Amino acid sequence: GAVVSQHPSRVICKSGTSVKIECRSLDFQATTMFWYRQFPKQSLMLMATSNEGSKATYEQGVEKDKFLINHASLTLSTLTVTSAHPEDSSFYICSATQGGNTEAFFGQGTRLTVV
Amino acid sequence: GENVEQHPSTLSVQEGDSAVIKCTYSDSASNYFPWYKQELGKRPQLIIDIRSNVGEKKDQRIAVTLNKTAKHFSLHITETQPEDSAVYFCAARRAGKSTFGDGTTLTVKP
Repeated sequence: GAVVSQHPSRVICKSGTSVKIECRSLDFQATTMFWYRQFPKQSLMLMATSNEGSKATYEQGVEKDKFLINHASLTLSTLTVTSAHPEDSSFYICSATQGGNTEAFFGQGTRLTVV
Repeated sequence: GENVEQHPSTLSVQEGDSAVIKCTYSDSASNYFPWYKQELGKRPQLIIDIRSNVGEKKDQRIAVTLNKTAKHFSLHITETQPEDSAVYFCAARRAGKSTFGDGTTLTVKP
C-alpha cells in the first residue's frame, strides 16, 4: 500500500509552547488528509479534514485556533498544537486519501506529552 | 452525523476458534466500510474493506459481511492465532469522511 509518513513519532514539550506535526504522503498525491486524536484504549476521534489549498474543516468541539492545520501541497499537511497544555497530551494520527472512497493510509502517529 | 456502534468491546477466544465483531451504522449514505487492526502504540492497518454494492468479501482467514438494509456489517476471523491479538476498529465512510467504532480488544489464547 501507499506510504504516509508522520513526524515526529514522539514529542515532549513544555506547557505553553507550540508543537508542529507533519504528515507526508510519500508516493501518492493526497487530495484529502484527516487528523485524528486517540486517547488510551479509545477510538480515533476525527479532529479535522484538510483539503489541499483550502481551509480545514473542523469537527464540532475542536478549537481551530488551537489546532492549526495547513495543507499547502498535495503531499504535506501539518498540525500545530498552539499553547499546549497537559490535557492536549494524546496520540495524534493523520491519514491521507486520494479522495472519494479510496483507501485511507495512516501515518505512524505522534505521541505528544505536554509537561 | 454518522454514528457507528461496535460490539463486543472485548473478546477472548482460544487459538483456532473463530472471532466475530459486529458494527452498526446510522447513515444510509455511508458506502465504504473498512476494518482496521491496531497494535499498541502503532498506526491502524487496513485488514479488509467492503463497499456498499457488495454483500460479502473474503481474504484468506478474514471475511466481512454487509447488510445494507439493516445497516450492519461484521468481521469474521477464522482459525485465530495469537498474532491476531490486537484492537480492531470498524469504520463507516461517506464522502471520504470516516467515523470509527469504539474498538474491540481481541485476545487469542494459545
